Amino acid sequence: AQSVTQLDSQVPVFEEAPVELRCNYSSSVSVYLFWYVQYPNQGLQLLLKYLSGSTLVKGINGFEAEFNKSQTSFHLRKPSVHISDTAEYFCAVSESGGSYIPTFGRGTSLIVHP
Amino acid sequence: GAVVSQHPSRVICKSGTSVKIECRSLDFQATTMFWYRQFPKQSLMLMATSNEGSKATYEQGVEKDKFLINHASLTLSTLTVTSAHPEDSSFYICSARAAGQGGNTEAFFGQGTRLTVV
Repeated sequence: AQSVTQLDSQVPVFEEAPVELRCNYSSSVSVYLFWYVQYPNQGLQLLLKYLSGSTLVKGINGFEAEFNKSQTSFHLRKPSVHISDTAEYFCAVSESGGSYIPTFGRGTSLIVHP
Repeated sequence: GAVVSQHPSRVICKSGTSVKIECRSLDFQATTMFWYRQFPKQSLMLMATSNEGSKATYEQGVEKDKFLINHASLTLSTLTVTSAHPEDSSFYICSARAAGQGGNTEAFFGQGTRLTVV
């Protein structure tokens, strides 16, 4: 079984500042990793995913994440945030080669102030 | 990306009535659909995995008779909350994975349904 820990429940940041949302996972097998964004009263939208290969993954809306196997982390970053990035962000993990049933972290609320 | 449509987006019902939520894959065939429940400020809790033409697999602690799932076709799965009570009020989200895709692909999510039982 795998688990995901999102260390920060809320991250306030000013517009145009950089941001990092932290995600750590635990698993006894190889994993796939995902970041999703959820706007109020909406479903989840995939930002990016790591399956294999390059550990630096680029996604939509200027986000990127880096897979660090030794630290079992998959932190999400953006060099300059916008007001419209205010949303809930979920990190998820699933077993590679498995049936893809992701386990989600509890979410991090990114709040961008003007 | 592929589109998953969930309907209705919001529903208010009286205690004791049943509510049906539909999840449709609009531009792909989904052999597997997932139903989640999300409490305020919390993560998604997987309720059940639905496979087309077979019975759904429920997660531990989820009442099968309370949350009826039907996956009658490759593009439609439904969740019926039977005899709803205020504690069933929540945000329900479905997701679907395309047919023929393995575990290395993401599932696509519907926009969610806000259920309020009064």
